[in-house]
Amino acid sequence: ETGVTQTPRHLVMGMTNKKSLKCEQHLGHNAMYWYKQSAKKPLELMFVYSLEERVENNSVPSRFSPECPNSSHLFLHLHTLQPEDSALYLCASSPAVGGHNEQFFGPGTRLTVL
Amino acid sequence: GQQVMQIPQYQHVQEGEDFTTYCNSSTTLSNIQWYKQRPGGHPVFLIQLVKSGEVKKQKRLTFQFGEAKKNSSLHITATQTTDVGTYFCAGGAGSYQLTFGKGTKLSVIP
Repeated sequence: ETGVTQTPRHLVMGMTNKKSLKCEQHLGHNAMYWYKQSAKKPLELMFVYSLEERVENNSVPSRFSPECPNSSHLFLHLHTLQPEDSALYLCASSPAVGGHNEQFFGPGTRLTVL
Repeated sequence: GQQVMQIPQYQHVQEGEDFTTYCNSSTTLSNIQWYKQRPGGHPVFLIQLVKSGEVKKQKRLTFQFGEAKKNSSLHITATQTTDVGTYFCAGGAGSYQLTFGKGTKLSVIP
């Protein structure tokens, strides 16, 4: 059973809608991540947070806005998305930031933008 | 920037056959991790290798890290239907992030 939960699991939205994805980790980790997983592409890291502070932003369009109110919760606010933003959005956590830490993934939110 | 290439993209094997996926980095890595994602699921950590030439085994799975720390492989002996899924390698290079390969999707024909 995963210690990282995500809601909603599925989301369909129009290009003018505003929605938010939620992630919660119950593992006591200090780092949280948002990834985008599209067909035929590698996992794309979007944002990294360490103890609620954003430490990495990989040139993600401003229509994606992350929020990390505490080390257990992570949000991804979405507005005026494009159809090419349709993908599986995965949240992950790790004990600390750094590529040597094992990452624990949530089940993902399957997003469809119409 | 760092790139991690993974081949093959797809592999179909008969149950009982062996399977290998290869991972190559454009730069020297500090560590490499392997993840498995079942169909409809999310990536799950399998193992991490950090030493040059390191070999680790988990039952029928054998993981290797190259001497130059720029490549890695995952070998599954005598595949079973439970091995179905996509296997990802992910390289660490001392930064905040892991760089994931595109993955190898394994299908096992019973």
